[in-house]
Amino acid sequence: QQKVQQSPESLIVPEGAMTSLNCTFSDSASQYFAWYRQHSGKAPKALMSIFSNGEKEEGRFTIHLNKASLHFSLHIRDSQPSDSALYLCAVSGSNNRIFFGDGTQLVVKP
Amino acid sequence: EAAVTQSPRNKVAVTGGKVTLSCNQTNNHNNMYWYRQDTGHGLRLIHYSYGAGSTEKGDIPDGYKASRPSQENFSLILELATPSQTSVYFCASGGLDTSAETLYFGSGTRLTVL
Repeated sequence: QQKVQQSPESLIVPEGAMTSLNCTFSDSASQYFAWYRQHSGKAPKALMSIFSNGEKEEGRFTIHLNKASLHFSLHIRDSQPSDSALYLCAVSGSNNRIFFGDGTQLVVKP
Repeated sequence: EAAVTQSPRNKVAVTGGKVTLSCNQTNNHNNMYWYRQDTGHGLRLIHYSYGAGSTEKGDIPDGYKASRPSQENFSLILELATPSQTSVYFCASGGLDTSAETLYFGSGTRLTVL
């Protein structure tokens, strides 16, 4: 069964810094890799997804995927206080199931 | 944007009572999911469905039943609620067999079992 682990558990960065979040998975057959963001008291919301090895950039956010290393990451350029949230990585498994990590709690200090 | 509506938003139940959480989506997605989220944890899959009439067990199905009477509606049923089921429950629709591939979540139901 798919195992998804995130690091670090929590992170505090100053405004304007580059933030890097990591996710590892166990099933090399996985095809869908995504990051979701959840502000306090709100529902998770999809941020970005990627299907093939490499990099994808959308605004200040970049995903890197390395299937051979069973690893993908999210990088946030010029981090803002509004980016403070719980970040959840998601990976597909068999039968259209999507598995989530336990999350990284990000705090961006002004 | 895709819409998923959960009810109720908050629920207080007594131990041994029956609880039904409801979810409605207007996106015509085939897949629907029920997750629970506990403090300090991510999302754990309870039950999911591929379409009307189907339900599948997720990772933590014990103590829960699910019902998918139509494309739009997916319910989670706690026949005999226990305090360990106190949590926030999220319903989602979408998934890999749709053009959306993304999961769209409802606003959640905060359940307290006393």
